[in-house]
Amino acid sequence: AQSVTQLGSHVSVSEGALVLLRCNYSSSVPPYLFWYVQYPNQGLQLLLKYTSAATLVKGINGFEAEFKKSETSFHLTKPSAHMSDAAEYFCAALTGANNLFFGTGTRLTVIP
Amino acid sequence: EAQVTQNPRYLITVTGKKLTVTCSQNMNHEYMSWYRQDPGLGLRQIYYSMNVEVTDKGDVPEGYKVSRKEKRNFPLILESPSPNQTSLYFCASGRGGAWETQYFGPGTRLLVL
Repeated sequence: AQSVTQLGSHVSVSEGALVLLRCNYSSSVPPYLFWYVQYPNQGLQLLLKYTSAATLVKGINGFEAEFKKSETSFHLTKPSAHMSDAAEYFCAALTGANNLFFGTGTRLTVIP
Repeated sequence: EAQVTQNPRYLITVTGKKLTVTCSQNMNHEYMSWYRQDPGLGLRQIYYSMNVEVTDKGDVPEGYKVSRKEKRNFPLILESPSPNQTSLYFCASGRGGAWETQYFGPGTRLLVL
């Protein structure tokens, strides 16, 4: 069974608009959730992670995510999109002692 | 500079010809891992290592081998590559385990003919 599901393989927003990337997790996974970003032709970079300390997690580059147990969601948001945010974003969950399960990714396009 | 390096970055080979993709990190991390990235499938973990001489299977280990003889190196070995192993491969390292931040290499694009 899938551990995380990302809704929407492609998302387009205008520069300055709200960015919302959706991720839902299986209720069976341990409470370790991550968002990674992949810029073109690069490896992945950690944006933020949830480890049960606080439900609202702030990350780098103005991104944040809220852990909602009632909705089994961990959506990524940014109030105002910048051209440099164009990238592919991956939600991930710790599924075992040292097993990280990645979602299928969401490609974000920012329109000038 | 703290980094994870992979070599080669690009490789074209033929079915059955053994190959090794090297991975090295200079951050003294205990944890290292290999992933493959395929369109529409995201990243899938192949193998990981908690420390020297300690390795374990990820989600898609078939057709791959790894070794961890030194802390800094974690090579990925394809003994007999097949076309379905054509993919983009990433090595990553982190302190402790997968719950910690992982630092990714630049990737190796492999084409098996």
